Amino acid sequence: NAGVTQTPKFQVLKTGQSMTLQCAQDMNHEYMSWYRQDPGMGLRLIHYSVGAGITDQGEVPNGYNVSRSTTEDFPLRLLSAAPSQTSVYFCASSTGQGAGQPQHFGDGTRLSIL
Amino acid sequence: AQTVTQSQPEMSVQEAETVTLSCTYDTSESDYYLFWYKQPPSRQMILVIRQEAYKQQNATENRFSVNFQKAAKSFSLKISDSQLGDAAMYFCAYRRGLLYGGATNKLIFGTGTLLAVQP
Repeated sequence: NAGVTQTPKFQVLKTGQSMTLQCAQDMNHEYMSWYRQDPGMGLRLIHYSVGAGITDQGEVPNGYNVSRSTTEDFPLRLLSAAPSQTSVYFCASSTGQGAGQPQHFGDGTRLSIL
Repeated sequence: AQTVTQSQPEMSVQEAETVTLSCTYDTSESDYYLFWYKQPPSRQMILVIRQEAYKQQNATENRFSVNFQKAAKSFSLKISDSQLGDAAMYFCAYRRGLLYGGATNKLIFGTGTLLAVQP
């Protein structure tokens, strides 16, 4: 079972560059989310989606864009990378059938902005 | 807004002993779920245990159990017979239920507790 797949696992960017973090899930989950993890701050929600074509902002959306053209994919775009976006990024998915269903996480992408 | 607080940045336990990790939360909602996630050095986020607010019985999964005190808004994790593989960062998380409508896939995390297991 592939589950939630994130690519790349590591990336170094220069300030001002743009890039897309990829996230794909093969469980036919309606819900997908992006979190960032910073030391001492836990995980914070960036953007989320409840289905194809539907996205919304989370707690820390500035500097990031998302789209959800298919159920399987939920890419996260950094438009103009800044050092403050250095972090570990996690994609997660879950079924929409009940809030108690656990979220499945990808293995994360470690992103460094120089 | 809901908040989750983990007041113990680091904890240590001897192998085979029992340890309790603390978590408190603040919410005005009555329909919600609480989770404990484990993050080992591999960085994976692994679900340890979950609790539905409407259930009074404390959840248990093998060596892991919770003490859910709804009135006190407390959700502690007890690890019994600690093993070296339990060493990890542990996160407490909150997720609203369906009662209030809207998206329910938003997890609110605490800042984590780093657990060391001494041989």
